[in-house]
Amino acid sequence: GAVVSQHPSRVICKSGTSVKIECRSLDFQATTMFWYRQFPKQSLMLMATSNEGSKATYEQGVEKDKFLINHASLTLSTLTVTSAHPEDSSFYICSARGARDTEAFFGQGTRLTVV
Amino acid sequence: GQNIDQPTEMTATEGAIVQINCTYQTSGFNGLFWYQQHAGEAPTFLSYNVLDGLEEKGRFSSFLSRSKGYSYLLLKELQMKDSASYLCAVMDSNYQLIWGAGTKLIIKP
Repeated sequence: GAVVSQHPSRVICKSGTSVKIECRSLDFQATTMFWYRQFPKQSLMLMATSNEGSKATYEQGVEKDKFLINHASLTLSTLTVTSAHPEDSSFYICSARGARDTEAFFGQGTRLTVV
Repeated sequence: GQNIDQPTEMTATEGAIVQINCTYQTSGFNGLFWYQQHAGEAPTFLSYNVLDGLEEKGRFSSFLSRSKGYSYLLLKELQMKDSASYLCAVMDSNYQLIWGAGTKLIIKP
């Protein structure tokens, strides 16, 4: 299958700082990227969907000013958690899908710990 | 509303067979996916069904009945490494994935 690379895999940051997570599709053009959050022992929760060159569509309850998503190219999307707080500590996962694909490919995930 | 139901947890014995069920109610249907997720890792794709019937892939098989809004994942010859969560997800009419909460499968020797 296609490869999606997510970086970093783990990050610890201080409360109040911002963290940027990158998601790259390495061997295909990702027209759509999805960002998920997963709390321990819970399923994936879709945060937002972004199409290349367009503003992201956020799910209800997700603060767009706090979780900034940029999808400036067909191979890169970024999620920036601004002014992070301990309750933002979670596992963040991106997935990417090409224009003709039904399957979305997942990145490795990023474990964010805010202290 | 949209809803995906699957059991929270199941236990099975190494070498045995286990069936994980998934029922769904979604606005439209463009296929059903099964993913495996080990603790602390991202999900990995197992199967995709869009037509009724059984899809077999090695030790894993997935079945779909669109009229019943029902799918199952069948795991044969269970191995200890199969201990994981299994996520059922349906792609709705907007091509969005609707996720189940996952079934934690515990394999005992």
